[in-house]
Amino acid sequence: AQRVTQPEKLLSVFKGAPVELKCNYSYSGSPELFWYVQYSRQRLQLLLRHISRESIKGFTADLNKGETSFHLKKPFAQEEDSAMYYCALSGNQGGKLIFGQGTELSVKP
Amino acid sequence: GAGVSQSPSNKVTEKGKDVELRCDPISGHTALYWYRQSLGQGLEFLIYFQGNSAPDKSGLPSDRFSAERTGGSVSTLTIQRTQQEDSAVYLCASSLVGDGSQHFGDGTRLSIL
Repeated sequence: AQRVTQPEKLLSVFKGAPVELKCNYSYSGSPELFWYVQYSRQRLQLLLRHISRESIKGFTADLNKGETSFHLKKPFAQEEDSAMYYCALSGNQGGKLIFGQGTELSVKP
Repeated sequence: GAGVSQSPSNKVTEKGKDVELRCDPISGHTALYWYRQSLGQGLEFLIYFQGNSAPDKSGLPSDRFSAERTGGSVSTLTIQRTQQEDSAVYLCASSLVGDGSQHFGDGTRLSIL
């Protein structure tokens, strides 16, 4: 079965602390993995995709095929990082996305 | 603007009525997707259009749901005989090619009384 699991509904950290949002997936094949973010009162937007291997807004994510994980990390969280984060995968079926349930990140001052 | 546009932004209707939701994708994007975001279910894929190919309807929850894409651009999602469980935010997204890098609209919040 195709599934994306984000085990944490809410993650609360202090400004300047490291943050890791967990994502595990189940897919038979070679999926592409994404992180999408939704800031308050804004639309859902792409944060990063694993094939790009970029760092966006200080966030990175590495695909670990052995552990079927794609955790999102940032060494020093900022208050403006507070948002809802969704991990998603697409397979070989035209790009339709399978989303996790989302993790709300709250960065306290 | 250049983004994905959805209308209406909010829709309240009575159970049993039909509703139409509209999506204007980014110009030049060949792929268009509909998703639904509801409490307890998260974000669910509904339907996908790619160019002139037959749409992928595998995510539609029942035959009360249908969608069209006219002229490779604007899409309409229709829900017939609405039920209370249809209450959700309906999101449209488009992409240049059919992949997971998608641009989302603001959504239509549908409330069934």
